[in-house]
Amino acid sequence: ETGVTQTPRHLVMGMTNKKSLKCEQHLGHNAMYWYKQSAKKPLELMFVYNFKEQTENNSVPSRFSPECPNSSHLFLHLHTLQPEDSALYLCASSQLLGNEQFFGPGTRLTVL
Amino acid sequence: AQSVSQHNHHVILSEAASLELGCNYSYGGTVNLFWYVQYPGQHLQLLLKYFSGDPLVKGIKGFEAEFIKSKFSFNLRKPSVQWSDTAEYFCAVNAGNMLTFGGGTRLMVKP
Repeated sequence: ETGVTQTPRHLVMGMTNKKSLKCEQHLGHNAMYWYKQSAKKPLELMFVYNFKEQTENNSVPSRFSPECPNSSHLFLHLHTLQPEDSALYLCASSQLLGNEQFFGPGTRLTVL
Repeated sequence: AQSVSQHNHHVILSEAASLELGCNYSYGGTVNLFWYVQYPGQHLQLLLKYFSGDPLVKGIKGFEAEFIKSKFSFNLRKPSVQWSDTAEYFCAVNAGNMLTFGGGTRLMVKP
C-alpha cells in the first residue's frame, strides 16, 4: 500500500452505534489530519496531530473522538452521531505542519 | 481567522477554452498557497503550491497559478482545457498550522 489509506470506504450507522474510522499513511509523515467534507460546505478541518500529539481541535463535538497511537495511524471514534454528521470524512498527512498534505480516499458516512 | 473565497462555484467550458478560477484569502501574514483537484470518484490531489520565490507557479497537467500579494489572490489558470479536466478545484491557504479551504469550484468541460 502506498500513500494514505482509509477504512472502511463506506459506513452506515444508527444514532446509537459506536464505530471507528481508520487512517494509515505510508509516507513517513509526522502530521495527520481529519477533515469533514459535506455537500455545499467548504472542507472543514476537524483535528490535527503532530508527532502523535493533538495540536488542533476545531470546535468538534465530543461525539467525535480522535486517537493517534503513532505517526502512521489515526482513528476517529464515533459515538451517538446525528444525521447531520453524514458526510465524507477525509484523512490527510504531511511531512511537517504547513507542508502540502496528501489525502486519503475518504470514508462516506451515513447516519440513520 | 483566515478565510478563503472562491467566487465561481460552477464553471462550464468547452474544450480548448481558457480557464481562470479565482481565489482570494484574508490573512495579513506569510502564507503557503495550494490548489487541489478532486476528479470524480478520486482523492483530493495537489495541483500546485506556492511557498516563496517566483509568484507564477506551474503545476501538473498544464495548470499554473499566480500569487498577487497586493490583491491577496492566487488564481488558477490553464490556457486550453480538456474534457479530462472536469473536476472540483479547491484553493487552500496555510497560515501557521491551519489549512483553510475555499468552497470549491466545480468545472465541467464539454467535449
